[in-house]
Amino acid sequence: AQKVTQAQTEISVVEKEDVTLDCVYETRDTTYYLFWYKQPPSGELVFLIRRNSFDEQNEISGRYSWNFQKSTSSFNFTITASQVVDSAVYFCALSGVGGATNKLIFGTGTLLAVQP
Amino acid sequence: DTGVSQNPRHKITKRGQNVTFRCDPISEHNRLYWYRQTLGQGPEFLTYFQNEAQLEKSRLLSDRFSAERPKGSFSTLEIQRTEQGDSAMYLCASSIPGQASGNTIYFGEGSWLTVV
Repeated sequence: AQKVTQAQTEISVVEKEDVTLDCVYETRDTTYYLFWYKQPPSGELVFLIRRNSFDEQNEISGRYSWNFQKSTSSFNFTITASQVVDSAVYFCALSGVGGATNKLIFGTGTLLAVQP
Repeated sequence: DTGVSQNPRHKITKRGQNVTFRCDPISEHNRLYWYRQTLGQGPEFLTYFQNEAQLEKSRLLSDRFSAERPKGSFSTLEIQRTEQGDSAMYLCASSIPGQASGNTIYFGEGSWLTVV
């Protein structure tokens, strides 16, 4: 069975601090995709990144970076120099590759509050 | 705006009434998904269409729920004889398969349902 665990329910930081959101996943698939989505108070899930299971290269996009470690089944997300606009719920998700639906399995999310 | 569009955005209904939500996916996306999200939880998969064919339904989708995608474009999700437990946000999403996209799923802003 596939499962995504986000152990951090809520994180509160002060603006300009760095923050890391943890994500641990379980799957029996040898190939899969991992995703991060941001959900601001408006409700829309905003796609941030997709990572293939065979590509363990870390990625940086502006203040965002992702650390994929297949050995520990983790796909952590770091925000550098956090800003108030980063306040949102962040979801990690997992999907299969090549299956009929490739539906997403989500974690329970981490609420990030960035204080000014 | 070429994103996934959902309406109505908010619906308050009395228990026992029927409600219908509409989703317009991103143009040319042949895959369409419905998810449900309750407070403090990640989205949960409900059902999936490829073009007009409904290919998978979750066990969460009781007999009171029905989804259609008659011409492979927009979709509707109807809930009959609503119950208070149906109160949630209903998210629609779409994707297009292929290596380039990695089946990245793009979400709409959701339709909030409150059953009183």
